[in-house]
Amino acid sequence: KNQVEQSPQSLIILEGKNCTLQCNYTVSPFSNLRWYKQDTGRGPVSLTIMTFSENTKSNGRYTATLDADTKQSSLHITASQLSDSASYICVVSDNAGNMLTFGGGTRLMVKP
Amino acid sequence: EAGVAQSPRYKIIEKRQSVAFWCNPISGHATLYWYQQILGQGPKLLIQFQNNGVVDDSQLPKDRFSAERLKGVDSTLKIQPAKLEDSAVYLCASSLDLQDRGTDTQYFGPGTRLTVL
Repeated sequence: KNQVEQSPQSLIILEGKNCTLQCNYTVSPFSNLRWYKQDTGRGPVSLTIMTFSENTKSNGRYTATLDADTKQSSLHITASQLSDSASYICVVSDNAGNMLTFGGGTRLMVKP
Repeated sequence: EAGVAQSPRYKIIEKRQSVAFWCNPISGHATLYWYQQILGQGPKLLIQFQNNGVVDDSQLPKDRFSAERLKGVDSTLKIQPAKLEDSAVYLCASSLDLQDRGTDTQYFGPGTRLTVL
């Protein structure tokens, strides 16, 4: 069964600090992995998408990494801002791109 | 570019009542998805359409849930009758084309928050 596990479930950090969110998956065969940011009361918004051959991708202060061998991904947030407070969802597609498996998300709170 | 529109934004009903949600995808997007997101969890796909045809509805509780996309544009999701466990946010998303789904970005609407009492 395809699964995506995210950790931690929730995280509180101080403004300006860095943090790293983890995503482990068992989806096979693998096509791509996406990170979404979901603000409270809003729909998810795509941050990054990585295919099998990519091991890192950046979007501003967000940097995602992918290790397809260990089936792990991380999302690193640099110099956090209050607006980074949100849920971050990891989504993995199978080889045909026909099945998306969503992780449960990590709820990040950035405090001043 | 206008985003995915959903209405209503909030709905409170009693169990056993019926409810319908509406979604208007981004113009030109062939693929439309409905997700159920229970508080504290990631979204769960209920149904996906390619134009006006159903591609996958394997996780749709068909005894009470139904969805349609008659003209390949707007879509409605209905629950009849609702149960307490249906309380969730119902997200609609669209993307350009299912064929490119492997790398195609889904754009999500703001969701409809349903509370069943």
